[in-house]
Amino acid sequence: SQQGEEDPQALSIQEGENATMNCSYKTSINNLQWYRQNSGRGLVHLILIRSNEREKHSGRLRVTLDTSKKSSSLLITASRAADTASYFCATDGIPPGGYQKVTFGTGTKLQVIP
Amino acid sequence: KAGVTQTPRYLIKTRGQQVTLSCSPISGHRSVSWYQQTPGQGLQFLFEYFSETQRNKGNFPGRFSGRQFSNSRSEMNVSTLELGDSALYLCASSRTGEQEKLFFGSGTQLSVL
Repeated sequence: SQQGEEDPQALSIQEGENATMNCSYKTSINNLQWYRQNSGRGLVHLILIRSNEREKHSGRLRVTLDTSKKSSSLLITASRAADTASYFCATDGIPPGGYQKVTFGTGTKLQVIP
Repeated sequence: KAGVTQTPRYLIKTRGQQVTLSCSPISGHRSVSWYQQTPGQGLQFLFEYFSETQRNKGNFPGRFSGRQFSNSRSEMNVSTLELGDSALYLCASSRTGEQEKLFFGSGTQLSVL
């Protein structure tokens, strides 16, 4: 089952514009991560934000986390055509009697038009 | 440092057959997780292995199984293939599997005819 749901499902913007993607999740987490996937390939880790952090930056990426609302957002500033990809949020969770597992949201498909 | 290696890259099988997929994690990584990705269901967690022990399992039928060897390499097996098993199977590794980022392989694209 999916832990996270991304919004929007698809986003199309012009090169140079900013792109914002949102993620909502259901249960308490230790950390939240964002990954990127180019078509048909493996996922690449972008950024990890811990539950006690509210905001984190990495280059043109800015991630926020609101644990009270169980939501996170990923902002890509000054987008480039090469940013065209699907973006997933991932949360960790510990099932009863088990170990942590990482579950992924449904993804946002971003298209950046040159 | 070599990345996560998955073999084969593509597979075509027919219904009823079985298939084995392989994953070699990054050197020093002891946790290996498997995911199934389909357009309709997104990324679904299959199972996670750490030091040859399955620590976690997703909601998949018993036809899906896996194992991990002492060198941390992992295999997953799907028996009695169904059309719905067509998917991209992704393997990810990490040092401990606890609150850290995952490194993914390029995946095995399985088509069941």
